Amino acid sequence: GAVVSQHPSRVICKSGTSVKIECRSLDFQATTMFWYRQFPKQSLMLMATSNEGSKATYEQGVEKDKFLINHASLTLSTLTVTSAHPEDSSFYICSANRRGEQYFGPGTRLTVT
Amino acid sequence: SQQGEEDPQALSIQEGENATMNCSYKTSINNLQWYRQNSGRGLVHLILIRSNEREKHSGRLRVTLDTSKKSSSLLITASRAADTASYFCATEYSAGGTSYGKLTFGQGTILTVHP
Repeated sequence: GAVVSQHPSRVICKSGTSVKIECRSLDFQATTMFWYRQFPKQSLMLMATSNEGSKATYEQGVEKDKFLINHASLTLSTLTVTSAHPEDSSFYICSANRRGEQYFGPGTRLTVT
Repeated sequence: SQQGEEDPQALSIQEGENATMNCSYKTSINNLQWYRQNSGRGLVHLILIRSNEREKHSGRLRVTLDTSKKSSSLLITASRAADTASYFCATEYSAGGTSYGKLTFGQGTILTVHP
């Protein structure tokens, strides 16, 4: 089956720094990828749609200047959390669309101290 | 918010019993999917049911979909301790026959199966 990877799996950073999370489709090309966020004991919330070669589309309430998304190739989308604060601590999960089905990465746990 | 609701929020059963989880949603959909998530881990896709289907089976899983009531249920039969996890339904939004690929997740049900 299709495989999606994320890197890193865990990251701890200090408040005010930026963190980049990578999402890769390993055995297929994905023109569209999605980024979700999951706070502890809560469900997943869609943050943005990452489109290869064009700007990302952000969901209402998600700051596009804080969560920078770059979909530079058909197999890679990156999410950069800029000037991270403790309230950005969360589990970030990406998914890639292949033939109408979504394949999820294993997630990245971000802790901002 | 378009996020759906699931009930129960938590379910505790004994091994061998059946577990039923329900999901309701608000918009027209292309399909509804069920996922499993072990604590702090990624999502595992369990089953997808399309809007024109009413019931689907996969191993010990049975999913029903009632588009008139905008609801779905997931039944896990003969549960095992290893089934302990959070279960989420997710709907794929559809408009005019176009699928956007975005998923809206329910709140989830935490299932605990005691050995």
